[in-house]
Amino acid sequence: GAGVSQSPRYKVAKRGQDVALRCDPISGHVSLFWYQQALGQGPEFLTYFQNEAQLDKSGLPSDRFFAERPEGSVSTLKIQRTQQEDSAVYLCASSLEGRLVNQPQHFGDGTRLSIL
Amino acid sequence: SQQGEEDPQALSIQEGENATMNCSYKTSINNLQWYRQNSGRGLVHLILIRSNEREKHSGRLRVTLDTSKKSSSLLITASRAADTASYFCATDESGANNLFFGTGTRLTVIP
Repeated sequence: GAGVSQSPRYKVAKRGQDVALRCDPISGHVSLFWYQQALGQGPEFLTYFQNEAQLDKSGLPSDRFFAERPEGSVSTLKIQRTQQEDSAVYLCASSLEGRLVNQPQHFGDGTRLSIL
Repeated sequence: SQQGEEDPQALSIQEGENATMNCSYKTSINNLQWYRQNSGRGLVHLILIRSNEREKHSGRLRVTLDTSKKSSSLLITASRAADTASYFCATDESGANNLFFGTGTRLTVIP
């Protein structure tokens, strides 16, 4: 496809369940980012991949959060033992080059996660 | 945590008027970017201004950057109802792997 695709668009889970969120970046894009966006706030960084290498996971809020990009294209963000505070929109973004300055990021429409 | 702060938090104008949004940040940057987000959608990149640039134009958009004051402004001229959205500034800092987003300005353009 032409843009970044995320699935599912909406996910409702009960507290304690595990969830997996998928991101298909723009084909050929080297860099992939995950952000968390709370209602009424700007996106906050979770983790960064350059190809299949996870170079930065400093934004992951706890060890319940895990991300992977095994073949350097599709990425999955997994949240184990979900808590109500995990409810947010999870955004994926990609950019063409490796981590270089002066390039825009291309965002998907996000997955809205609601934990009951 | 978020580095930038947009001002105002919300702005409501009539179609055809100009809209100005401001962004302040705290650290040294490589560049500053502006994004638009329609309700329920992802962010769309609007414009990127490098730290050694002071002003940049793209269509109806005009962005200024004052690194001495650590601030930027986004001007949308001749606004349209379709410009209704949230606008975020994002800073690209030396040594960081990610963008730092502000809290956003919610713009409403009334037809």
